[in-house]
Amino acid sequence: NAGVTQTPKFQVLKTGQSMTLQCAQDMNHEYMSWYRQDPGMGLRLIHYSVGAGITDQGEVPNGYNVSRSTTEDFPLRLLSAAPSQTSVYFCASTPRLGSGYNEQFFGPGTRLTVL
Amino acid sequence: RKEVEQDPGPFNVPEGATVAFNCTYSNSASQSFFWYRQDCRKEPKLLMSVYSSGNEDGRFTAQLNRASQYISLLIRDSKLSDSATYLCVVFYNKLVFGAGTILRVKS
Repeated sequence: NAGVTQTPKFQVLKTGQSMTLQCAQDMNHEYMSWYRQDPGMGLRLIHYSVGAGITDQGEVPNGYNVSRSTTEDFPLRLLSAAPSQTSVYFCASTPRLGSGYNEQFFGPGTRLTVL
Repeated sequence: RKEVEQDPGPFNVPEGATVAFNCTYSNSASQSFFWYRQDCRKEPKLLMSVYSSGNEDGRFTAQLNRASQYISLLIRDSKLSDSATYLCVVFYNKLVFGAGTILRVKS
């Protein structure tokens, strides 16, 4: 199993550009999520999905869109990049989310810089 | 007030030392608690869950104090390879991550 994969590993964008961060998992996990990690702050939830066709907003959803057409893939779209979106982005998956079982398996991250 | 608070450190300790981190959480209804480890420029990985009765995994001991709303992680006989950032994670309908505590173990 490859686990959770993310592409690209690094990306530099100009303000106003759009792009899609890719995330895929081969563990047949129902729950997938996107986080961003900034210095001095914990991981913050951007969007999440409890299954194919179902997505919802997390703590910091503005400026991002997601879709979940298959169980395996959960891409994150930046609509119009801003310098405030410079961050490290992690995709994560878990078989299910509920009390007592919440191990998240993270991808290796995408380091995004917006100029 | 942040939902999950940790001392950012860094904690600089010699090899073989015992070190402890605390983490406080604000939501008294929180249901599950975890410690994750994150190496420099890598993804977080689950270190251990934290149970009400306390639990141990080798050199690592985790404790939960619901009355005072904090969890702790104790590392005995520190190794150079323990150098990392330790993230406190709390679950109530969603996972909330602390900003992490940096540990540096020196030879």
